[in-house]
Amino acid sequence: KNQVEQSPQSLIILEGKNCTLQCNYTVSPFSNLRWYKQDTGRGPVSLTIMTFSENTKSNGRYTATLDADTKQSSLHITASQLSDSASYICVVSAPKSFQKLVFGTGTRLLVSP
Amino acid sequence: AAGVIQSPRHLIKEKRETATLKCYPIPRHDTVYWYQQGPGQDPQFLISFYEKMQSDKGSIPDRFSAQQFSDYHSELNMSSLELGDSALYFCASSPSGGRDNEQFFGPGTRLTVL
Repeated sequence: KNQVEQSPQSLIILEGKNCTLQCNYTVSPFSNLRWYKQDTGRGPVSLTIMTFSENTKSNGRYTATLDADTKQSSLHITASQLSDSASYICVVSAPKSFQKLVFGTGTRLLVSP
Repeated sequence: AAGVIQSPRHLIKEKRETATLKCYPIPRHDTVYWYQQGPGQDPQFLISFYEKMQSDKGSIPDRFSAQQFSDYHSELNMSSLELGDSALYFCASSPSGGRDNEQFFGPGTRLTVL
């Protein structure tokens, strides 16, 4: 069982609509949780990073939430744009692991016109 | 702002050949990580270096080796290539004193083994 699971696996939404991606993790102890956006064939780009004491973090139209008690995080995308079409990966790191990251399975988002 | 540079961006090799991938971290970043991402899969951690010393080891095959040089760039050497080695290879860097050591990823090298 993957230590970081994401849902849905894929999602299609109309341009301008909002969407929410989910991430559940079992990595423990937990240092921080990151959301990355990865365009096909390119390196992941960091959107947000949160420690266990942070509940929400925004970056433009992206807002991430974290519930460290239930080990759940979400990424909300507001007013989606065609350029938001990408894979969104939830990544968790544990302390003292020299920042070795545990990657989630990813959600592939397609924003259609 | 300068980003992580990887070269080459694309590489085609035949089975049993060798390949060398290079990674140039962001200036003043002293930690480098290597990841392998197969088609439709999430990146798998291979190995990392901090101040030119191996700091952590993941699922790196024995056929692969890596090192970090005095200028902090890193090279991933891959020998006896197999078809299954075809993947995107990402390098990431982070500063040791940075916020939560956030990793910045390079654009990747796409390796195709024929």
